[in-house]
Amino acid sequence: NAGVTQTPKFQVLKTGQSMTLQCAQDMNHNSMYWYRQDPGMGLRLIYYSASEGTTDKGEVPNGYNVSRLNKREFSLRLESAAPSQTSVYFCASSLGIGAGTDTQYFGPGTRLTVL
Amino acid sequence: QKEVEQNSGPLSVPEGAIASLNCTYSDQGSQSFFWYRQYSGKSPELIMFIYSNGDKEDGRFTAQLNKASQYVSLLIRDSQPSDSATYLCAVNMESNYQLIWGAGTKLIIKP
Repeated sequence: NAGVTQTPKFQVLKTGQSMTLQCAQDMNHNSMYWYRQDPGMGLRLIYYSASEGTTDKGEVPNGYNVSRLNKREFSLRLESAAPSQTSVYFCASSLGIGAGTDTQYFGPGTRLTVL
Repeated sequence: QKEVEQNSGPLSVPEGAIASLNCTYSDQGSQSFFWYRQYSGKSPELIMFIYSNGDKEDGRFTAQLNKASQYVSLLIRDSQPSDSATYLCAVNMESNYQLIWGAGTKLIIKP
């Protein structure tokens, strides 16, 4: 039982390049999330998918797109990377019961540097 | 703007003592409150959550919630060097899928 997995672990891009971050979970969770974490700041939600077939914007969606490929997989795409997108990206998943106590479980993160 | 505030620290506590971490939030309608631990270079992992006023205990950890004063705290008893980490407070403000996160408090347990 791997939980939440993310690829790649590290990535260096040049400004303007594109890339896709992959996330998969094997916990049969309905909801999945993409966050970014910057020094001195809390986790900020980029996009989330409450259930298969749906996606919604979070707090900081500009410059990103997502795809909920199936129940297990949720990808994050940077179409034209900018230095401001240098960050650590975490994928998370939860059972998705819509209740306040729905617990999120995190993947190991992707450390992205945009030059 | 809905906010969750934490003292960034570092908070230095002697081994064996009680570590007290605090978190305040802006939205009176907040429903539930989560404490996560994050070791350097790792991902956040859940310690516990609380949604009713009062105390909730889990081993050496106790979460305390006071909705009237809009704060939640985490007490760690018998602190160990392995408790040294950043502690993140997260608040579910609208009973939906979004959590609002504090920036975290860095805790250092000194042997």
